[in-house]
Amino acid sequence: KNQVEQSPQSLIILEGKNCTLQCNYTVSPFSNLRWYKQDTGRGPVSLTIMTFSENTKSNGRYTATLDADTKQSSLHITASQLSDSASYICVVSPRWTSNSGYALNFGKGTSLLVTP
Amino acid sequence: EPEVTQTPSHQVTQMGQEVILRCVPISNHLYFYWYRQILGQKVEFLVSFYNNEISEKSEIFDDQFSVERPDGSNFTLKIRSTKLEDSAMYFCASRLTDYNSPLHFGNGTRLTVT
Repeated sequence: KNQVEQSPQSLIILEGKNCTLQCNYTVSPFSNLRWYKQDTGRGPVSLTIMTFSENTKSNGRYTATLDADTKQSSLHITASQLSDSASYICVVSPRWTSNSGYALNFGKGTSLLVTP
Repeated sequence: EPEVTQTPSHQVTQMGQEVILRCVPISNHLYFYWYRQILGQKVEFLVSFYNNEISEKSEIFDDQFSVERPDGSNFTLKIRSTKLEDSAMYFCASRLTDYNSPLHFGNGTRLTVT
């Protein structure tokens, strides 16, 4: 069964500090891995998308890494801000022959709280 | 920036009643999806829709569920006879064409079945 496991489940950091969130997956064959940010009561918003051939992708203060051999990804947040407080979700797409299928595998997310 | 819009933001219904959740995807997108998220749990795929037909559905999407794109802008999810366990946040999403392009999610409809 395809699984996406994230750690830690929750994290509290001080404003200005860096943090790293982890994602391990067993989805195979694998197409791409995405990180989403979900504010409370809102829909997920895409941060990064990486295909199996990419090792790193940045979006401002967010940097995602991918090791397709070990099936691990991380999301590094630099110089955290209060607005970074949210759930960060790792989403893995299996490789499909059809372009329309999109049964993404979602992790449960890491709940990040940035405090003053 | 264009966005996916969902209405209503919160729907309360009695068990056994029919509900219709509405979504307006981004106008030039071609692929449409419904996901749900039970409180405290992960987001789950329900159904994908392309070229006016269902392209894939999960085991959650049973005969009680249906989707429709009645015109060029709206995309609806109907639950025929709601159950208590249907209480969840329902997200609509859309994307352009490239399989590796980002999914754009709406802000969801919170469905509460009493």
